[in-house]
Amino acid sequence: GAGVSQSPRYKVAKRGQDVALRCDPISGHVSLFWYQQALGQGPEFLTYFQNEAQLDKSGLPSDRFFAERPEGSVSTLKIQRTQQEDSAVYLCASSIGTSWADTQYFGPGTRLTVL
Amino acid sequence: KNEVEQSPQNLTAQEGEFITINCSYSVGISALHWLQQHPGGGIVSLFMLSSGKKKHGRLIATINIQEKHSSLHITASHPRDSAVYICAIFGNQFYFGTGTSLTVIP
Repeated sequence: GAGVSQSPRYKVAKRGQDVALRCDPISGHVSLFWYQQALGQGPEFLTYFQNEAQLDKSGLPSDRFFAERPEGSVSTLKIQRTQQEDSAVYLCASSIGTSWADTQYFGPGTRLTVL
Repeated sequence: KNEVEQSPQNLTAQEGEFITINCSYSVGISALHWLQQHPGGGIVSLFMLSSGKKKHGRLIATINIQEKHSSLHITASHPRDSAVYICAIFGNQFYFGTGTSLTVIP
């Protein structure tokens, strides 16, 4: 594919449900990032993978949030027992190298609404 | 406390005007990015800066490491430039500004 893709693009969940958000990075990109963007705010860092290794998960807001990238390509962000405050756009980005200063290519995001 | 502050928050300009968006930050960084986000769309990385100045078409980005300040300039603005412009810094972790919403009126 030409760019980073994310699915689903929109997700509506009832409070308490579990959700799984998928990110397909650009092929060959080593680094993968997840961000959360609340309405009217800038993105906030959630977690970072280098290949399959999750090197930084300091931004995950609670233990209900879990991310994985088992084969170093596709990544899944899972949110358990969703709460209304989890409503946001979840952005995925990838970059070719291992430097956090490398250009990141962003996906279109998944808009999660928790009712 | 916000590690990254952008100004202005909102900006309306007439087509053809010169536009400046400012970003100030409070922590040491290894790089600063300017990002563009269209309504309902994804984010595009415009520039990555660690020093000096970069130019791409009508866009110019500058950074002053000593003053912890960066500016994004748009020359001869056009309605298609209407978007949210976000400043992001990379130090020991990522910090993003809340964005500047730019509307260029024909």
